[in-house]
Amino acid sequence: DTEVTQTPKHLVMGMTNKKSLKCEQHMGHRAMYWYKQKAKKPPELMFVYSYEKLSINESVPSRFSPECPNSSLLNLHLHALQPEDSALYLCASSQGYGGGTEAFFGQGTRLTVV
Amino acid sequence: EDQVTQSPEALRLQEGESSSLNCSYTVSGLRGLFWYRQDPGKGPEFLFTLYSAGEEKEKERLKATLTKKESFLHITAPKPEDSATYLCAVQAFGAGGTSYGKLTFGQGTILTVHP
Repeated sequence: DTEVTQTPKHLVMGMTNKKSLKCEQHMGHRAMYWYKQKAKKPPELMFVYSYEKLSINESVPSRFSPECPNSSLLNLHLHALQPEDSALYLCASSQGYGGGTEAFFGQGTRLTVV
Repeated sequence: EDQVTQSPEALRLQEGESSSLNCSYTVSGLRGLFWYRQDPGKGPEFLFTLYSAGEEKEKERLKATLTKKESFLHITAPKPEDSATYLCAVQAFGAGGTSYGKLTFGQGTILTVHP
């Protein structure tokens, strides 16, 4: 089973709202990722968690706050977003921080900021 | 800085008309090269991992190959259901020989197969 589950599938939020995106995997993977994908563009890395610790933050604005409660779950907390943050947010996981192994992606959350 | 360039940007084929997609890359030390398929509004679906020059992988109508500078995704006798965006990504070794989970993606090739 190579499934990464993301909720919600769609989210519309105002610029003053606080919301969270959730991601879950049960493949025993120890690395989890958040990517952002704008229309007709490739995914861009935001954060990497390895063994539940934040390993990479690609200079993402503080209005995006990641959290990894355990090895199976990854959250992305959103606060005071801007309309330009509207995008498809993708969660992915891979076996471990050693790299060189494929990442499996969820179906994404389509976020619209109004 | 790692760079990935895919060509062509878009490719239209007739059903059964074989062709190839190109992925050129520049990376300080290649840990792995990955091919993904992405349907509109969905997350990328993993297809292949290639690690070293000369390596080949096959799955149904798809075959991926790797050289020191580029990778090809060959599509044999495509069907309309093969229509999608095909993404190439590289993963590099970091400083000190460690590897990181970061994938650097190319812009993708939009493949349309007409019946």
